[in-house]
Amino acid sequence: AQTVTQSQPEMSVQEAETVTLSCTYDTSESDYYLFWYKQPPSRQMILVIRQEAYKQQNATENRFSVNFQKAAKSFSLKISDSQLGDAAMYFCAYRRRRDSNYQLIWGAGTKLIIKP
Amino acid sequence: DSGVTQTPKHLITATGQRVTLRCSPRSGDLSVYWYQQSLDQGLQFLIQYYNGEERAKGNILERFSAQQFPDLHSELNLSSLELGDSALYFCASSVIHGMGDEQFFGPGTRLTVL
Repeated sequence: AQTVTQSQPEMSVQEAETVTLSCTYDTSESDYYLFWYKQPPSRQMILVIRQEAYKQQNATENRFSVNFQKAAKSFSLKISDSQLGDAAMYFCAYRRRRDSNYQLIWGAGTKLIIKP
Repeated sequence: DSGVTQTPKHLITATGQRVTLRCSPRSGDLSVYWYQQSLDQGLQFLIQYYNGEERAKGNILERFSAQQFPDLHSELNLSSLELGDSALYFCASSVIHGMGDEQFFGPGTRLTVL
């Protein structure tokens, strides 16, 4: 069974600095997606960034980028120039690519605190 | 706004009762997923429907059931409620076989069982 592990329950960063959130996963599949979702205090789940496992290039979305290490089964999220609005829970999630079962498998989350 | 709607936003009920949570997917999305998020925890997948048919089941209790109707909206029924069922229940939808099959999440229904 696939599992996703986020080993940092909480991280803090000074505003405008860079922070990296860690995620590791376990799967025997070779074709899958990995996601980072943000959950602000409003509780809405917001997709931050997505990585296809077959792509070697790391995904980037403005200030957000990932370091995808397929062999190591590692998928970290880097947030550059941190802003107060980045404060939220961040969840790493995994999903098979070729399957009728498209369920997302989630990590336990990392609470990100931004210090002004 | 993701385009996925969930009602009600909040629900407070007593143990032993039954409630129904409703979800309307984004226009054009055929698949609906239900997730449960207990306090300060990650999400747990409950069940998936695709075009009216159950497609996958996760950690869903026998006291819980769901269905997807011809107009593609979905309902999650929770019965014989226990204190431990208090959680945030999310609905998500996706096209399936679309671009990345991204799941779009609704705002959630917060269920409190007293």
